[in-house]
Amino acid sequence: DAKTTQPNSMESNEEEPVHLPCNHSTISGTDYIHWYRQLPSQGPEYVIHGLTSNVNNRMASLAIAEDRKSSTLILHRATLRDAAVYYCILRVDNYGQNFVFGPGTRLSVLP
Amino acid sequence: EADIYQTPRYLVIGTGKKITLECSQTMGHDKMYWYQQDPGMELHLIHYSYGVNSTEKGDLSSESTVSRIRTEHFPLTLESARPSHTSQYLCASSEYYSGANVLTFGAGSRLTVL
Repeated sequence: DAKTTQPNSMESNEEEPVHLPCNHSTISGTDYIHWYRQLPSQGPEYVIHGLTSNVNNRMASLAIAEDRKSSTLILHRATLRDAAVYYCILRVDNYGQNFVFGPGTRLSVLP
Repeated sequence: EADIYQTPRYLVIGTGKKITLECSQTMGHDKMYWYQQDPGMELHLIHYSYGVNSTEKGDLSSESTVSRIRTEHFPLTLESARPSHTSQYLCASSEYYSGANVLTFGAGSRLTVL
């Protein structure tokens, strides 16, 4: 399975943009890039996913490099509630594959 | 509002007891999952189901068992709890959205075995 590499931790100031990087140099052409986040004492929640093009939703934006070997999750204005562990996951959407969560990036948001 | 419900949220029991962690979803999803997560550690898949009467073991070996008799219900059972089973258990279901399956998680059941 293709793996992802994320920084262990990052810090941001409140109301500033946050760019969370993810490297996936062995990504295959059919791998979707998924992002989830886990707030303290909660289960993970879906943030966004994409295949080739950049994606936007109400929570975040996903910028995918042209060669697809890296991607960046962008939080446009960080709030204290965005402090969480962010997981970048590659997944081929076939019958037999499941979601594999790595250690993720722990984002701290400073007031 | 949660669409996937786990009970109990917290459970403290003694060694040797049988426990069942309940998981229900109201979204009609066929695929459901159980993950185990120790504090501050990664999530590990222990069981999954692709529909009624379908159950499979996940990547992490677990002494727990699961059943899927109804689409909305995916309980996890430990026949004889041990301190090594102390962990958080997270239930999830998935649906097809914008070209890929995405997961919805419950809030988790935190189990402590004394």
